[in-house]
Amino acid sequence: GENVEQHPSTLSVQEGDSAVIKCTYSDSASNYFPWYKQELGKRPQLIIDIRSNVGEKKDQRIAVTLNKTAKHFSLHITETQPEDSAVYFCALGGGSYIPTFGRGTSLIVHP
Amino acid sequence: GAGVSQSPSNKVTEKGKDVELRCDPISGHTALYWYRQRLGQGLEFLIYFQGNSAPDKSGLPSDRFSAERTGESVSTLTIQRTQQEDSAVYLCASSLQSGGGNEQFFGPGTRLTVL
Repeated sequence: GENVEQHPSTLSVQEGDSAVIKCTYSDSASNYFPWYKQELGKRPQLIIDIRSNVGEKKDQRIAVTLNKTAKHFSLHITETQPEDSAVYFCALGGGSYIPTFGRGTSLIVHP
Repeated sequence: GAGVSQSPSNKVTEKGKDVELRCDPISGHTALYWYRQRLGQGLEFLIYFQGNSAPDKSGLPSDRFSAERTGESVSTLTIQRTQQEDSAVYLCASSLQSGGGNEQFFGPGTRLTVL
């Protein structure tokens, strides 16, 4: 089955700094790369996704980059704010009908 | 429109009792997933339903766990003879089409506590 490694497991930044979370995978058949945000006690929600025919996608302060050759994709958050504090999960899709989730990154933004 | 709903939101039970958790997916979503999330942990896949096809039960941790789905609507996850290690949040998700290449919409989860 598909496997995805997510790093770091925890990330602490000052408000206004940038944050980067990276996921690496092994299944070259994967073609869908979403990122989910889970606030404390809440459900995971999609914040951005990218498909394999695109190298980068941006939505205001968040962006996702994909390197299919190296088999990794990253979430970039610029100008972080306290409300960005949450657990972020990367996921893989397309190679299997069951999405594979990373283990999550706990992002803490200090005011 | 309405999102994915789950009930109950919280369930406290005694060890050895059976519990039934319910998920109502978004109307028209053919794919439905159940996940388990222990405190501070990631999402553990349990079972996948796609339309009228046989479900993928490869993630169920033991034969005490089972799930059913009626057509493309409601699903129930049943845990028999609950154990303390079953304590977790059980999340249901649905997506528009089959395959992992589509956004998953999660329900609010059922927090299960086994005493």
